[in-house]
Amino acid sequence: NAGVTQTPKFRILKIGQSMTLQCTQDMNHNYMYWYRQDPGMGLKLIYYSVGAGITDKGEVPNGYNVSRSTTEDFPLRLELAAPSQTSVYFCASRLIRGYTFGSGTRLTVV
Amino acid sequence: AQTVTQSQPEMSVQEAETVTLSCTYDTSESDYYLFWYKQPPSRQMILVIRQEAYKQQNATENRFSVNFQKAAKSFSLKISDSQLGDAAMYFCAYRSGGGSQGNLIFGKGTKLSVKP
Repeated sequence: NAGVTQTPKFRILKIGQSMTLQCTQDMNHNYMYWYRQDPGMGLKLIYYSVGAGITDKGEVPNGYNVSRSTTEDFPLRLELAAPSQTSVYFCASRLIRGYTFGSGTRLTVV
Repeated sequence: AQTVTQSQPEMSVQEAETVTLSCTYDTSESDYYLFWYKQPPSRQMILVIRQEAYKQQNATENRFSVNFQKAAKSFSLKISDSQLGDAAMYFCAYRSGGGSQGNLIFGKGTKLSVKP
């Protein structure tokens, strides 16, 4: 049981490049979330999904897109990377009570 | 909208002593959950303790306990017999109950240092 797996762990992007952050969970959780954590700040919700085929915006969705074609996968797409997207990104999943977080992706946009 | 405030950016405690981290929140809801998460330098988010708003009894987990004051909207974390491994960022978080999408709303965190 691997829990929530995020790849890559680290990435450096140039301004204007695009990339996809991968998130996979093997617990059959319906709810999945993407958060970003800026230095000295708590986590802020980017997008969430309540099940396959259903996604919705969180607090800071601009510059990101998501899809949820399967229960297991919830990738986060960055289009036209900007320095303001430099952050640590966390994926999480939830069944009923408990949340499981991935180990995070540190993204730097230069 | 709900908000979570942690007023102590940094705290320090001597090993084996007790420390209390503060958290206040703002909500008009009656059904919700509160959490404390620990984030060590490894970045992993680790659940420390959870409290259901409908429960009057304060949650405890070994050396960790909370003081939940619902009327005051306060949710402090007490760490007893502090250990070097307790050094980390601690985040207070709120989640709406009922049929919400269940996302967590986080405070900005408190960095806890433990002195040997």
